[in-house]
Amino acid sequence: EDKVVQSPLSLVVHEGDTVTLNCSYEVTNFRSLLWYKQEKKAPTFLFILTSSGIEKKSGRLSSILDKKELFSILNITATQTGDSAIYLCAVDNNNDMRFGAGTRLTVKP
Amino acid sequence: NAGVTQTPKFRILKIGQSMTLQCTQDMNHNYMYWYRQDPGMGLKLIYYSVGAGITDKGEVPNGYNVSRSTTEDFPLRLELAAPSQTSVYFCASSYSTNTEQFFGPGTRLTVL
Repeated sequence: EDKVVQSPLSLVVHEGDTVTLNCSYEVTNFRSLLWYKQEKKAPTFLFILTSSGIEKKSGRLSSILDKKELFSILNITATQTGDSAIYLCAVDNNNDMRFGAGTRLTVKP
Repeated sequence: NAGVTQTPKFRILKIGQSMTLQCTQDMNHNYMYWYRQDPGMGLKLIYYSVGAGITDKGEVPNGYNVSRSTTEDFPLRLELAAPSQTSVYFCASSYSTNTEQFFGPGTRLTVL
């Protein structure tokens, strides 16, 4: 059965901390892995990963994919209260998109 | 560009009623998707389309129907609403596979 599993489900940190969010997957026809941030409403795009070992970086956020071990991590350094959100991992399984349940990150001042 | 628009924003249905959730995108994207998101959960794919005239089932298609007569529009039809269909529905579009998806603002549907 195709599945995407994220961990932890929730995380509470203080401003300035570094966090690592995990996403593992088992799908039949992997094409890419995507990370989204969801605050109050619709998800907004962060990264798309298609190749192993190549880090994608945007400011304090970075992500990497391991296609051999079937997982990805999303790192956020020097967290801010504005990083509080649900982070969703999705896998493009030949257009049949599979999402994980998300990690709810809370950053306290 | 308006991006992806969805109507209505909110709707309450009675069991057995039917309705259509509208989704339109003005980015000339080929790919369009319908998801539902239950409280505390990730998104589950209902249907998707890779171009006008082509639709495919996702993970949770039962109780729903879609059509794609134009590139811009991808309506989602609920024929016999059930309480289990209470959810937030998101429409999304992308230029092709392996590209980011752009999401609409969502429709919050309650079936009583």
